[in-house]
Amino acid sequence: GAVVSQHPSRVICKSGTSVKIECRSLDFQATTMFWYRQFPKKSLMLMATSNEGSKATYEQGVEKDKFLINHASLTLSTLTVTSAHPEDSSFYICSARRDKYEQYFGPGTRLTVT
Amino acid sequence: AQSVTQLDSQVPVFEEAPVELRCNYSSSVSVYLFWYVQYPNQGLQLLLKYLSGSTLVKGINGFEAEFNKSQTSFHLRKPSVHISDTAEYFCAVSEANTGNQFYFGTGTSLTVIP
Repeated sequence: GAVVSQHPSRVICKSGTSVKIECRSLDFQATTMFWYRQFPKKSLMLMATSNEGSKATYEQGVEKDKFLINHASLTLSTLTVTSAHPEDSSFYICSARRDKYEQYFGPGTRLTVT
Repeated sequence: AQSVTQLDSQVPVFEEAPVELRCNYSSSVSVYLFWYVQYPNQGLQLLLKYLSGSTLVKGINGFEAEFNKSQTSFHLRKPSVHISDTAEYFCAVSEANTGNQFYFGTGTSLTVIP
C-alpha cells in the first residue's frame, strides 16, 4: 500500500508554454501533499505544501504565480509550471502524507524546457 | 527549524565490503529520522525510519541505522554491499508529532566497485 504516482514521467516543452504535472495517491487519501524540486546532484528542495481544499503554502523564494498548485481532491494534487523557461528544467517530485509519521514519494517528473 | 548534514557527498566501496553513510541533524525539538534511496531518474524509496523506541533500526535490503541522540546522528550501515546498492542516499528529518515538513540532507552517492 501507500503508492503515489506522477504523470507525466517526462515532459519536454517549449519556452513560454505551461505544463501541468499530476500527483495521485492511489490507495490512500492524502489531506496533505508536498512538491519538491531536485536539481542535478542536489538534494530535494521543498517548494510548497498542498492541503486539500485550501490554498497551498509556498516556501520562501518560490514564485506562487509561476508554480500553481491545486489540491482538488484527497487523492490528487497538480503542479502547473506557467510560462516555463529553461531555468525551470528540473526533476519535480511530489509526496503524499498518509499519517503524521511519513511521506510517500512519487517517481518524479523530468521537465525539460527548450 | 531542523537541518540535516550528510558529511560525505561520495562514497566508493568495493563489493561485499561494509559501508557507513553518515548523517547528523540539528533540531531543538524531538524528531523523526529517515533514510531514503534514489536510483537514477526515479523517486525516493524508504529504506528505514526511526520514530521512537529501539535506537537500532533495521530496514530493507540489509540496511540498518542507529539513532544517537547525544551525538545527534543517524548513520546508515550495511555489512556487505552489492553492486545493486549503487545509488543516491538521502537522510531526512521531520518534527515529531507533527511530521509535517521534511528536511533533506544533500545526499551521498554510493558507488559499489566490482
